[in-house]
Amino acid sequence: AQSVTQLDSQVPVFEEAPVELRCNYSSSVSVYLFWYVQYPNQGLQLLLKYLSGSTLVKGINGFEAEFNKSQTSFHLRKPSVHISDTAEYFCAVSEGRLRGQNFVFGPGTRLSVLP
Amino acid sequence: NAGVTQTPKFQVLKTGQSMTLQCAQDMNHEYMSWYRQDPGMGLRLIHYSVGAGITDQGEVPNGYNVSRSTTEDFPLRLLSAAPSQTSVYFCASSSFGLGNTIYFGEGSWLTVV
Repeated sequence: AQSVTQLDSQVPVFEEAPVELRCNYSSSVSVYLFWYVQYPNQGLQLLLKYLSGSTLVKGINGFEAEFNKSQTSFHLRKPSVHISDTAEYFCAVSEGRLRGQNFVFGPGTRLSVLP
Repeated sequence: NAGVTQTPKFQVLKTGQSMTLQCAQDMNHEYMSWYRQDPGMGLRLIHYSVGAGITDQGEVPNGYNVSRSTTEDFPLRLLSAAPSQTSVYFCASSSFGLGNTIYFGEGSWLTVV
């Protein structure tokens, strides 16, 4: 069974500093990789996804992620964070079946941006 | 655009009671699913459906029941609520296709006392 690891449960960072949220997955088969963000008391919103092609993926709100197949990683980065980026971030893996897809989520990383 | 709509948003149940969480989507998505979110565990798949009349179990199906009579609706039933089912529940949907985005509802907060 697939598993997704997010090593950091909480990441505090000062405003305008860079941040990296780490994600590793276990599957050895072809997978599709996603990052979702959850703002307080809301549902999950897609930040970005990797399906194929360039290993550097750009998403919304200035976030980007890099797929590294050899290290089975998909770390999320932002060069300069804002207070509004405070949220919980989830990495997810899908095996990408044609008829619907089930996701395996990591436990989440709570990003706190400090003034 | 309503997207994925869940009701109720908040609910308190007594142990042993039953209830249904409603989920509706207006995007004509074939695929729908229910997840539960617990602190430190991310989201875990309860049940999913790839079309009307077709449902299957996910990672944590015990204590829950689903049906899919229409493309739009995918209710989740708690048969006899237990404190371990205190959680936040999310309904999600997507269209078929490799790597398609999955869209989430805003969640239903359930407390079982």
